Amino acid sequence: SQQGEEDPQALSIQEGENATMNCSYKTSINNLQWYRQNSGRGLVHLILIRSNEREKHSGRLRVTLDTSKKSSSLLITASRAADTASYFCATDSNDYKLSFGAGTTVTVRA
Amino acid sequence: DAGVIQSPRHEVTEMGQEVTLRCKPISGHNSLFWYRQTMMRGLELLIYFNNNVPIDDSGMPEDRFSAKMPNASFSTLKIQPSEPRDSAVYFCASKTGGGFGYTFGSGTRLTVV
Repeated sequence: SQQGEEDPQALSIQEGENATMNCSYKTSINNLQWYRQNSGRGLVHLILIRSNEREKHSGRLRVTLDTSKKSSSLLITASRAADTASYFCATDSNDYKLSFGAGTTVTVRA
Repeated sequence: DAGVIQSPRHEVTEMGQEVTLRCKPISGHNSLFWYRQTMMRGLELLIYFNNNVPIDDSGMPEDRFSAKMPNASFSTLKIQPSEPRDSAVYFCASKTGGGFGYTFGSGTRLTVV
């Protein structure tokens, strides 16, 4: 079953703009993870934020977590054409079973 | 490290045939997962191994599906007999310890005709 729900389902932006996508979940978590999937490829782990963390950065990525609202956001700054992909949030509730959302498809226009 | 290695990359088979998907996890990773991805259902966890032992197979859809992990460096997912509704991309992933991200393989795209 899918616990995480991403919003929006699809996003189209101009190169250089920022992209923001959100994830909401239902039950308590140990951590929340974001993955990227390029067309026809496997998922690539981007960033993990633990339940006691509120914000985390990795390069052009910024992730926030609000456990009181059971939501997270992923911000990609200064987007590039290579950022075109589907982005998934995944919740880890018991240290092994990741539940993935349906994903946000991001298209970066040159 | 070559990452998680899956084979074959593509498999086309006829309904009723046996299909075996293979996975080599990253050396040192003690957890292995098989996921299935379809447009309709997204990513579904099929089975989880920890230290080569199946811990949770509640996601395996039917008895036609079976998975093994005979050693720390190899796992198989078998479908027998295969049906058209089994068509999907099957991913293997591995990780080490708790609180770490998964490393996914490139997947096997299975088409059952």
